[in-house]
Amino acid sequence: QKEVEQDPGPLSVPEGAIVSLNCTYSNSAFQYFMWYRQYSRKGPELLMYTYSSGNKEDGRFTAQVDKSSKYISLFIRDSQPSDSATYLCATFTGGGNKLTFGTGTQLKVEL
Amino acid sequence: GAVVSQHPSRVICKSGTSVKIECRSLDFQATTMFWYRQFPKKSLMLMATSNEGSKATYEQGVEKDKFLINHASLTLSTLTVTSAHPEDSSFYICSASGQGVVANQPQHFGDGTRLSIL
Repeated sequence: QKEVEQDPGPLSVPEGAIVSLNCTYSNSAFQYFMWYRQYSRKGPELLMYTYSSGNKEDGRFTAQVDKSSKYISLFIRDSQPSDSATYLCATFTGGGNKLTFGTGTQLKVEL
Repeated sequence: GAVVSQHPSRVICKSGTSVKIECRSLDFQATTMFWYRQFPKKSLMLMATSNEGSKATYEQGVEKDKFLINHASLTLSTLTVTSAHPEDSSFYICSASGQGVVANQPQHFGDGTRLSIL
């Protein structure tokens, strides 16, 4: 079993839809959670960074962490074609900052 | 803020050549830098972790003599692929993390280097 599980997709939605991306993890020592967006042939771009359980909102993006069920989510409201990318969840325990990634979910927002 | 610059973005060279890739943190001090390799449609694979002024820590299966990492300053790390062969062709990405007033900072990534060995 992988430490972080993420559905690879691809996920295709119409423009304007609400997108829900999810990851589960198995190691309760993971304390910090991130969502990265990666466009083709580019490095990952940090979208959200959270520590505690609960919601964190930034514009059209909301990150949700539920440590009791080891479940993390990213919601994208009013999705745009420019949101088409691969979304990677990542987590680490702290200290050495070594990340554990999900496999990434490929998202396509269609006109 | 938190910009990481990676250079070059694309390299094509002959087998047996050594290739150096630079990773710079432009607006913060990177106490730790990481080097990843990514295969098409796959997630990132950590190759090594380097702390400024220390020897890099390599992940299992990564040849330290093949992939030389130097982190000589708080803003620069380099990865040298020595005597590169076609199987070394890949997308190499660096990231940097700072430890400022707030601990446990996230990693910020460069835009990657696409290496093709002919």
